[in-house]
Amino acid sequence: NAGVTQTPKFQVLKTGQSMTLQCAQDMNHNSMYWYRQDPGMGLRLIYYSASEGTTDKGEVPNGYNVSRLNKREFSLRLESAAPSQTSVYFCASSEGLAGDTQYFGPGTRLTVL
Amino acid sequence: EDQVTQSPEALRLQEGESSSLNCSYTVSGLRGLFWYRQDPGKGPEFLFTLYSAGEEKEKERLKATLTKKESFLHITAPKPEDSATYLCAVQASSGSRLTFGEGTQLTVNP
Repeated sequence: NAGVTQTPKFQVLKTGQSMTLQCAQDMNHNSMYWYRQDPGMGLRLIYYSASEGTTDKGEVPNGYNVSRLNKREFSLRLESAAPSQTSVYFCASSEGLAGDTQYFGPGTRLTVL
Repeated sequence: EDQVTQSPEALRLQEGESSSLNCSYTVSGLRGLFWYRQDPGKGPEFLFTLYSAGEEKEKERLKATLTKKESFLHITAPKPEDSATYLCAVQASSGSRLTFGEGTQLTVNP
């Protein structure tokens, strides 16, 4: 039981390049989330998926797109990376949305030059 | 707008020296308050969920309490392995997302 896994662990991009961050969970959870963590800002929600087939914007969605591929997998895409997207990205999952504990993956550290 | 403020930003303790971390929150109806531990280079690790004022939960040397305006994470006789950043988050009854505080960085010296 691996919990929430994320790939890659580290990535360096040049401004304007695109990439997809992958996330998978093996806990049979319905809801999945993408956060970014920046010094002095705390964790901020980018997008979430309440259930398979649905996605919604969070607090900071600009510059990102997501895909809920199936119940297990939720990907985050940067179409044209910018230096402001340099951050640590965390994926999380929970049984449902309302009051259920979110379990986090190990994170992807992204640098955009 | 939901807000979470954690204090202090950083705390240094000697091994065995008990203390408390504070999480003050403003939310339009609390659905749940969550405590996480985060080690450097790792993802947040779940500790506790509290749902209503007066509720308390314990795990080893940690005890979390909740009032209508704040939560405390009490650390009793801490050990060096308790060194980490402790994060607090709230979920409003009207929404689905968590609002996180910036965390308290705890260092326990042997």
